Amino acid sequence: KNEVEQSPQNLTAQEGEFITINCSYSVGISALHWLQQHPGGGIVSLFMLSSGKKKHGRLIATINIQEKHSSLHITASHPRDSAVYICAVASQGNLIFGKGTKLSVKP
Amino acid sequence: DVKVTQSSRYLVKRTGEKVFLECVQDMDHENMFWYRQDPGLGLRLIYFSYDVKMKEKGDIPEGYSVSREKKERFSLILESASTNQTSMYLCASRRTGLSSYEQYFGPGTRLTVT
Repeated sequence: KNEVEQSPQNLTAQEGEFITINCSYSVGISALHWLQQHPGGGIVSLFMLSSGKKKHGRLIATINIQEKHSSLHITASHPRDSAVYICAVASQGNLIFGKGTKLSVKP
Repeated sequence: DVKVTQSSRYLVKRTGEKVFLECVQDMDHENMFWYRQDPGLGLRLIYFSYDVKMKEKGDIPEGYSVSREKKERFSLILESASTNQTSMYLCASRRTGLSSYEQYFGPGTRLTVT
């Protein structure tokens, strides 16, 4: 069983829709990261969380430490949000990555 | 800003060739990592290094070696490239001592072995 599970694997949305990507983990963590990877490769950090909720523009990330679960929400989605979103947890001396969620937002 | 650079964005090599992928970071980070990324499998750790001349195997080291002669540079070597090593390769670095283990990634090298 993977230590970090993301759902869904693939997601197609219409422009303007509210999007949620989920991440569940089974290990003790010191932090959780949400990363974004656009076509072409480079990975950038969106959020780093150890508790509660963070917001940046149209993106919101939440974490529930007791339930070992985090969500990434995108409000008023736009085609430029199309990317792979990766959840990663800081545990056991390193980062453990989920397999990613491929999001496609259609105009 | 932290900058991690990789020597090539795209690379095409023939089966059996020796391949060098170079990664350089400019933030004096102690730790450097090489990952490969394949559809449906996510990021998988090949090797990492926590200091100059030090290296540790990751989850999938077979067919790869690494070299870290200087703190800022971490090289991934495919001794004899094979078609199953066609993949996206990503380098990352991070500072020791942060409990968040935040990593900074390079732009990636898409390697095709024919």
